[in-house]
Amino acid sequence: KQEVTQIPAALSVPEGENLVLNCSFTDSAIYNLQWFRQDPGKGLTSLLLIQSSQREQTSGRLNASLDKSSGRSTLYIAASQPGDSATYLCAVESNTGKLIFGQGTTLQVKP
Amino acid sequence: EPEVTQTPSHQVTQMGQEVILRCVPISNHLYFYWYRQILGQKVEFLVSFYNNEISEKSEIFDDQFSVERPDGSNFTLKIRSTKLEDSAMYFCASSDEAPTEAFFGQGTRLTVV
Repeated sequence: KQEVTQIPAALSVPEGENLVLNCSFTDSAIYNLQWFRQDPGKGLTSLLLIQSSQREQTSGRLNASLDKSSGRSTLYIAASQPGDSATYLCAVESNTGKLIFGQGTTLQVKP
Repeated sequence: EPEVTQTPSHQVTQMGQEVILRCVPISNHLYFYWYRQILGQKVEFLVSFYNNEISEKSEIFDDQFSVERPDGSNFTLKIRSTKLEDSAMYFCASSDEAPTEAFFGQGTRLTVV
């Protein structure tokens, strides 16, 4: 059974710092990996999708990497801003489109 | 920009009542999903729907739950007889194929009292 784990559970950094969020999964037979952002009480906003054949994806200050064989992904946020404060969720996608989520990393960026 | 819309944003219901949560997926999408997130817990898959039938469901999705695409635009989740433990945020998602990027709605917060 696929399990997704995210470390750390919470992170607090000063503005401007670069940071890395980690995601690991137990079954490497995934099709895609997707990173989401969730603001308190709100929906899920897709940030990046990495296909299983890809190693990384970039969007603005965000860079996500995928090492399928070791069951790991990282989300790198450059030059963090207070507006980046949110919970970041990692989800792996099966061949049917089902997403299995980690519990998230709650990020606070202090001005 | 196309988006998935869900209504209502918040629903309070009494235990034992039936509720219907509504979703309008992105118009050209063919695959539809429901997920739920109990407060403080992971987002969990409930069901996927394609070509007017359930393609996959989790063990959470028991006989109390049903899904329907009553017309060309809506996708609904019905809970027949709500329990306290059904209180959660329910998210609808859609995609144009599977597997691929899924787009989520803003969620419906269901509170069962």
